Amino acid sequence: NAGVTQTPKFQVLKTGQSMTLQCAQDMNHNSMYWYRQDPGMGLRLIYYSASEGTTDKGEVPNGYNVSRLNKREFSLRLESAAPSQTSVYFCASRLTGQGYTFGSGTRLTVV
Amino acid sequence: GNSVTQMEGPVTLSEEAFLTINCTYTATGYPSLFWYVQYPGEGLQLLLKATKADDKGSNKGFEATYRKETTSFHLEKGSVQVSDSAVYFCAWKEGGGNKLTFGTGTQLKVEL
Repeated sequence: NAGVTQTPKFQVLKTGQSMTLQCAQDMNHNSMYWYRQDPGMGLRLIYYSASEGTTDKGEVPNGYNVSRLNKREFSLRLESAAPSQTSVYFCASRLTGQGYTFGSGTRLTVV
Repeated sequence: GNSVTQMEGPVTLSEEAFLTINCTYTATGYPSLFWYVQYPGEGLQLLLKATKADDKGSNKGFEATYRKETTSFHLEKGSVQVSDSAVYFCAWKEGGGNKLTFGTGTQLKVEL
């Protein structure tokens, strides 16, 4: 039972490069989420998908795009990375009425 | 706006000491309240939750009571262990809502 799987675990980008963070869950959960974690700021919601085919902005969506490819997968794309996007990114999923399951995170550094 | 505020860390305790990490919330309506724990290098795990006033969540010796009159959900443990060293996050969610909102986290260090 893999739970929520995020790839890659670590990434270094140059300013202006693009990349996609991948997230997949094998628990048949409806909702999926992308958070970023920064020192002293806790976790902040970037985007979420309440169900397959829908996506909505969270607290800090600027500079990001998402795709809910199917029920299992929810990707986060940085089109033109900036140093301010250096962070640890967490994907999570949830079945309606149940708790959240988090992945182990992607540590992204933009230089 | 709606939010949770938790005490800043780091909190450093000796093993077997009593732990309290304060959390207060500001929310309209009747939110559900949570404590999550993050061990070094890992994602967040649900520690306990409470969905209505006066509910007590408990797990692994940790407890928290949803107190509407003081808008608080303080985390307590009677006797901490070195293995409890982690970052603890208070969080809330609107009843029936989809989004979990986190506090800033409190780092706990337990020493022998």
